[in-house]
Amino acid sequence: GAGVSQSPRYKVAKRGQDVALRCDPISGHVSLFWYQQALGQGPEFLTYFQNEAQLDKSGLPSDRFFAERPEGSVSTLKIQRTQQEDSAVYLCASSQRGFAEKLFFGSGTQLSVL
Amino acid sequence: DQQVKQNSPSLSVQEGRISILNCDYTNSMFDYFLWYKKYPAEGPTFLISISSIKDKNEDGRFTVFLNKSAKHLSLHIVPSQPGDSAVYFCAASNQGAQKLVFGQGTRLTINP
Repeated sequence: GAGVSQSPRYKVAKRGQDVALRCDPISGHVSLFWYQQALGQGPEFLTYFQNEAQLDKSGLPSDRFFAERPEGSVSTLKIQRTQQEDSAVYLCASSQRGFAEKLFFGSGTQLSVL
Repeated sequence: DQQVKQNSPSLSVQEGRISILNCDYTNSMFDYFLWYKKYPAEGPTFLISISSIKDKNEDGRFTVFLNKSAKHLSLHIVPSQPGDSAVYFCAASNQGAQKLVFGQGTRLTINP
């Protein structure tokens, strides 16, 4: 596709359930980012990949959050034992070069933890 | 610690007039600044950027001004159009860093 694709668009999880969020970046984009956007706030950085290498995971809020990009293309953000405070929109973005400029964002996955 | 702040949650402007959105930052290491625009149910889209070596960058109806001494940037939209109604985020990064730090956003409404 022409843009960054994220699935599912919406996810409702019961507290304690594990979830997996998928991101298909723009073809050929080297860099991939995950951001978390709480209601009424700006996106907050979670983690960054350059190809398959996870170069920065300083924004992951706890060890329940795990991200991977095994073949340098599709990425998955996994959240184990979800909590209510994990409810947010999770945005994936990609860029052509290894630099945080002109990111192309997907539409996000809205996660609601009940 | 909010390193990038947009103090106006919302702004209402009449069509055809100028819209001015403001952003302040605290980290003097930031050297690259961007504005993103977001429509409901969509991801943010890149609008315009400016490097710290400049104080102004213009792209059509959009101009970004940077005042490094005041750690302040602004986005001017002239003339404002109904399609400009959206949430606008400013973001900042420092050279070599891969992460953008976003402000909280300002909801701009253009009234016909």
